[in-house]
Amino acid sequence: DTGVSQNPRHKITKRGQNVTFRCDPISEHNRLYWYRQTLGQGPEFLTYFQNEAQLEKSRLLSDRFSAERPKGSFSTLEIQRTEQGDSAMYLCASSPPGLAGATPTDTQYFGPGTRLTVL
Amino acid sequence: QKEVEQDPGPLSVPEGAIVSLNCTYSNSAFQYFMWYRQYSRKGPELLMYTYSSGNKEDGRFTAQVDKSSKYISLFIRDSQPSDSATYLCAMSVRIQGAQKLVFGQGTRLTINP
Repeated sequence: DTGVSQNPRHKITKRGQNVTFRCDPISEHNRLYWYRQTLGQGPEFLTYFQNEAQLEKSRLLSDRFSAERPKGSFSTLEIQRTEQGDSAMYLCASSPPGLAGATPTDTQYFGPGTRLTVL
Repeated sequence: QKEVEQDPGPLSVPEGAIVSLNCTYSNSAFQYFMWYRQYSRKGPELLMYTYSSGNKEDGRFTAQVDKSSKYISLFIRDSQPSDSATYLCAMSVRIQGAQKLVFGQGTRLTINP
């Protein structure tokens, strides 16, 4: 399967614990995005990487959230001191390099998500 | 007020019906307009995108954008039970070297055989 993969698919944790999710983008996709989707809502943008550089962060990304993409390939999203309000589906997407000097279509290919439940 | 408004439904129609899904938006800076389909426990998958006012057709699907009214629609002809899913409209805003997607709430659609 050459699509975006995310692990784990499900995570149940107790309030106050730290959790880490992993995203493996489609090979050769240099742009990677994290979104959060709560029940009955559309996904909300969290952050964006171009290669290893984190270029955009949403106000939704509090100090307890940190994302990395150390080698420009896979990415991790860590939530420290989880709260019940963090319960959601965390989606990762990737897109291929854009054309220099042009506005890219930027089709984003989503992974299956990691469903987090905080008890 | 949300930047993108979408009726969450649910919407239930018989097989073969024409389905109309709609979104309104408030941000004139949106560049691209997309429709994603999301099956239960799956990530969203892109159905259609457009960047200008007018219609775009792809098989049984037609996407319509009216920038003057800030209104987009997705029409599904000859609907099939396999079309049952949540449909998300999405609009993009340019960020450094990419586009950030702003989604509507999603409309849950059921096609009854």
